[in-house]
Amino acid sequence: AQSVTQLDSQVPVFEEAPVELRCNYSSSVSVYLFWYVQYPNQGLQLLLKYLSGSTLVESINGFEAEFNKSQTSFHLRKPSVHISDTAEYFCAVRGYSSASKIIFGSGTRLSIRP
Amino acid sequence: EAGVTQFPSHSVIEKGQTVTLRCDPISGHDNLYWYRRVMGKEIKFLLHFVKESKQDESGMPNNRFLAERTGGTYSTLKVQPAELEDSGVYFCASSQSLGGKYEQYFGPGTRLTVT
Repeated sequence: AQSVTQLDSQVPVFEEAPVELRCNYSSSVSVYLFWYVQYPNQGLQLLLKYLSGSTLVESINGFEAEFNKSQTSFHLRKPSVHISDTAEYFCAVRGYSSASKIIFGSGTRLSIRP
Repeated sequence: EAGVTQFPSHSVIEKGQTVTLRCDPISGHDNLYWYRRVMGKEIKFLLHFVKESKQDESGMPNNRFLAERTGGTYSTLKVQPAELEDSGVYFCASSQSLGGKYEQYFGPGTRLTVT
C-alpha cells in the first residue's frame, strides 16, 4: 500500500520569499514521485516528476524537488515566489506499472502576499 | 493536440437525482482514469479503464456509481441516486500504454454539488 502525507494544508508567504512545501510518502514498492499544481479555476497540471537518475528535479517555472529515499521525502522548494504561484500543490506517487493509479496527498494551498 | 476534456464543468443537483459526467481522453490514449476530491480532502482514485475494459475499480465507493467507456473512447460516470456526500470535484485522466509513456494527463474536472 502507498500513502502520501503533506504536512501543511496552507502556507502563506510574502512575494519574493522562499518557500518549501513538505511531502513524505510511504510505500512497500518503488514508486515514481510527482508534484501537481492546480491554479485557481483550472485543472491539475504536472509540475515536476522524479522517475530515476538525479534526485533533484526542476520545473520550468523555478520550482525544484529533491527525492530523499532514506527520509522518504519529496519536498518542493522555490527560492523566490511570485504572485502567480498562488495555487494548490499536490504531492503524489505512482507505482512502476503502467496500470498504477496515482496516490495523492491532501494538498497544500500556497498563498502569496504582496 | 486537444487535452482531456470533461463535461459539464459544474453540476448542481438535488439529493436523489441522477447525474452523468463525461470525459473525453486524449486521442489514442488507451488508459482512462477517474478520480475525485471531496471537501478539501485528498484526490482519490475511483477506477481505471484500458480501452473499454475496467482494469481496476477498487476505488468506486458504492454501487450508486456506474462507469462506462463505450468503444474505448469517451467515458461516462453516472451517479444514481446522488447523495450529499457525493459532492466534490471529479477528475478524469488519460495516458498512453506504448513506449513507456505512462504520464497521466488530467482534465479540468467537473464540480458536482448535491443539495
